[in-house]
Amino acid sequence: QVQLQESGPGLVKPSETLSLTCSVSGYSISSGYYWGWIRQSPGKGLEWIGSMYHGGNTYFNPSLKSRVTISLDTSKNQFSLKLSSVTAADTAVYFCARKGTSGWFLDYWGQGTLVTVSS
Amino acid sequence: EIVLTQSPGTLSLSPGERATLSCRASQSVSSSSLAWYQHKAGQAPRLLIYGASSRATGIPDRFSGSGSGTDFTLTISRLEPEDFAVYYCQQYASSPWTFGQGTKVEIK
Repeated sequence: QVQLQESGPGLVKPSETLSLTCSVSGYSISSGYYWGWIRQSPGKGLEWIGSMYHGGNTYFNPSLKSRVTISLDTSKNQFSLKLSSVTAADTAVYFCARKGTSGWFLDYWGQGTLVTVSS
Repeated sequence: EIVLTQSPGTLSLSPGERATLSCRASQSVSSSSLAWYQHKAGQAPRLLIYGASSRATGIPDRFSGSGSGTDFTLTISRLEPEDFAVYYCQQYASSPWTFGQGTKVEIK
């Protein structure tokens, strides 16, 4: 069974960079699939941030693309998110997830982690 | 950007009853590129339906999806106690991929 688990700081200061890691078990991320991040905030609901394939192909939400970096660490079977220049609007629950085989839907998700942007 | 509007916001039903959830798109969702998810607080969201009507692996047949174009429906034929949760639709026909705001199915 594929399982994903997010980890990282729960509090980030405004203008700093938010960094999260997703640890994957039950599947090797180097074997395929896109791996990515989604967030949920009270103001904007669920929002797809971006996804990356182990071969390097990426998809980013155009509204966030300039601030987002996603990378894969196949040696640790983990992938990460960096979101720069954060503001209070970036306060949200962040989920990591795997893209499904036959389209841009998500077949496995993590439980999510709350990140608050505040000084 | 395709905006998805789910209705109702909250559905109050009893176990054993039928639940009908609606997802309406602001423009046509081509190739029926629509998915449904179930989410319980503190848990990972679960994929129920993709391609508008295909059940994901391990999903009971009491869950069914239908629709095309701009109108889609998730039906739960007989609610089980574990089905009370929030349900989201998501379109993947046109980037950026977007989600509806959710329908909460609560115990009456």
